[in-house]
Amino acid sequence: AQKVTQAQTEISVVEKEDVTLDCVYETRDTTYYLFWYKQPPSGELVFLIRRNSFDEQNEISGRYSWNFQKSTSSFNFTITASQVVDSAVYFCALRGLHAGNQFYFGTGTSLTVIP
Amino acid sequence: EAGVAQSPRYKIIEKRQSVAFWCNPISGHATLYWYQQILGQGPKLLIQFQNNGVVDDSQLPKDRFSAERLKGVDSTLKIQPAKLEDSAVYLCASSPARVTGELFFGEGSRLTVL
Repeated sequence: AQKVTQAQTEISVVEKEDVTLDCVYETRDTTYYLFWYKQPPSGELVFLIRRNSFDEQNEISGRYSWNFQKSTSSFNFTITASQVVDSAVYFCALRGLHAGNQFYFGTGTSLTVIP
Repeated sequence: EAGVAQSPRYKIIEKRQSVAFWCNPISGHATLYWYQQILGQGPKLLIQFQNNGVVDDSQLPKDRFSAERLKGVDSTLKIQPAKLEDSAVYLCASSPARVTGELFFGEGSRLTVL
């Protein structure tokens, strides 16, 4: 089965704190792709990162970093020195290579950064 | 490059009425998706088109929902008759033909059924 679990429903942090959003996935595919999207209050889902299953290197982009661990089927997202503009719902997603290459989204984590 | 365009942004109707949503994908994107996002949940795929053919509509409630993508460009999603539980944001997304890429989403159409 293809499934994405985001166990954290809501997180609140104070501005400048670091925060990690967890993502655990299940897939029967040997080749797959993982994604993170941000959904601000405006509603549009904004693409943040894509990672394929063969690339376990961690990635850093500014204040954002991603930790992909195949051994634990996790793809966690860390925001360093959080800002109010980071307040949004964050979705982790999985894309397999069969059955129409569907995207499977998690239920999202709502992050609130308090000034 | 223009993004995915959707209209209307907001729609309020009474139950049993009909509604239609329109989506224009990014130019050149062969694949188009309609997702339903109920408040507090992740997007749920309703239908996926590849050019003007349906790839997956297994989760589309076909007794009341219909969608078409004539000429393989823009698409319309219709609900008739609407039910209270159809209140949601309807997201359109597109992607190039390659299977590994990310989806590009529109701003969504928020439907409220009273």
